[in-house]
Amino acid sequence: SQELEQSPQSLIVQEGKNLTINCTSSKTLYGLYWYKQKYGEGLIFLMMLQKGGEEKSHEKITAKLDEKKQQSSLHITASQPSHAGIYLCGADHSGNTGKLIFGQGTTLQVKP
Amino acid sequence: NAGVTQTPKFRILKIGQSMTLQCAQDMNHNYMYWYRQDPGMGLKLIYYSVGAGITDKGEVPNGYNVSRSTTEDFPLRLELAAPSQTSVYFCASSHLNTEMNTGELFFGEGSRLTVL
Repeated sequence: SQELEQSPQSLIVQEGKNLTINCTSSKTLYGLYWYKQKYGEGLIFLMMLQKGGEEKSHEKITAKLDEKKQQSSLHITASQPSHAGIYLCGADHSGNTGKLIFGQGTTLQVKP
Repeated sequence: NAGVTQTPKFRILKIGQSMTLQCAQDMNHNYMYWYRQDPGMGLKLIYYSVGAGITDKGEVPNGYNVSRSTTEDFPLRLELAAPSQTSVYFCASSHLNTEMNTGELFFGEGSRLTVL
């Protein structure tokens, strides 16, 4: 079973629409990372969340770590074709030990 | 700074052959990682290291070995290549600091390995 579950696994939205991707952990999160990957390319860091209730934004992308620190949501406002790609959440479950695992990813397509 | 450098970018191996994927970083990061990514899947942690001389198993370590003799280098060794090891391999490094709320992973460009 996955320690980190992302939902949905894939998403197709019309340009301009808002969308949300969720990342649910089976354990307490000591650090939660969001990355974006373009097809066939490397990973681009979006943001890191650490404290319960913390919320960060990067351009039109906002991520929040819930109070109980077991779920994070990534919200994209007014989606654009440039937002297309694979979104991955990564987690530190053990508190500064350095072991970082990732969810299975959410593939986003944005139709013009 | 070059960041995280992986070599080779592409490699085709025959079943049973051995090879080493090289990874080097020039950011003086203490943490280094090896992940594999299969088609349509996320990243699976193979091995990681919190500093020179220290390595630990990740989620899928079987069939792989690593070493960390210096801060800069973290090679991944495949001893007896199998078709199940066909994948894209990513090396990453970070300077995790929970007090400063930092810890961005810097990734290499990936190494695409095919085992036939």
